Amino acid sequence: AQKVTQAQTEISVVEKEDVTLDCVYETRDTTYYLFWYKQPPSGELVFLIRRNSFDEQNEISGRYSWNFQKSTSSFNFTITASQVVDSAVYFCALSPGFQKLVFGTGTRLLVSP
Amino acid sequence: DSGVTQTPKHLITATGQRVTLRCSPRSGDLSVYWYQQSLDQGLQFLIQYYNGEERAKGNILERFSAQQFPDLHSELNLSSLELGDSALYFCASSVVPGAPNTEAFFGQGTRLTVV
Repeated sequence: AQKVTQAQTEISVVEKEDVTLDCVYETRDTTYYLFWYKQPPSGELVFLIRRNSFDEQNEISGRYSWNFQKSTSSFNFTITASQVVDSAVYFCALSPGFQKLVFGTGTRLLVSP
Repeated sequence: DSGVTQTPKHLITATGQRVTLRCSPRSGDLSVYWYQQSLDQGLQFLIQYYNGEERAKGNILERFSAQQFPDLHSELNLSSLELGDSALYFCASSVVPGAPNTEAFFGQGTRLTVV
């Protein structure tokens, strides 16, 4: 069975601080995909990144970066120099060959000015 | 804009009623997924269709059913509604399930309130 754990329920930071959202996953599949989604207050789910299990390269996209470590089954997400617009709930998700997504419980990020 | 269209955006209905949620996938996507987001259960996979056929089932209640039509749009039917069915229902679509380098794009969701 697959499982995704986001132990941080809520994180509060002040603008311009860096923040890391943790994600730990469990799966017996050798091929799988990991995702991060953002859910702003308006409610939609915005795709941020997909990572294949055989590609452990870290990725940076602007102020966002992701650290994938198979050895610790973690796929952490860092926002550098956070902004108020980053306030949202962030979900980590796992998919075994994209049959379906198994979501974590989400981390609510509050960025205050 | 993800390209996935869900209607209606909001729905308020009474207990015992039946509603239909509609989803149009992104152009070219053959697979449609339905998810339910509730306060107590979080985001849960309900059901997946691929090119008109049911492909996978999650924790979908027997009171709920879905189908995917020849034009690839999908409908989720919820019947004998209970207060606990109040949730945000999302539809997602992808090109082909299981293929590398595919990701699910989500619609804006339908917020269902059962009173």
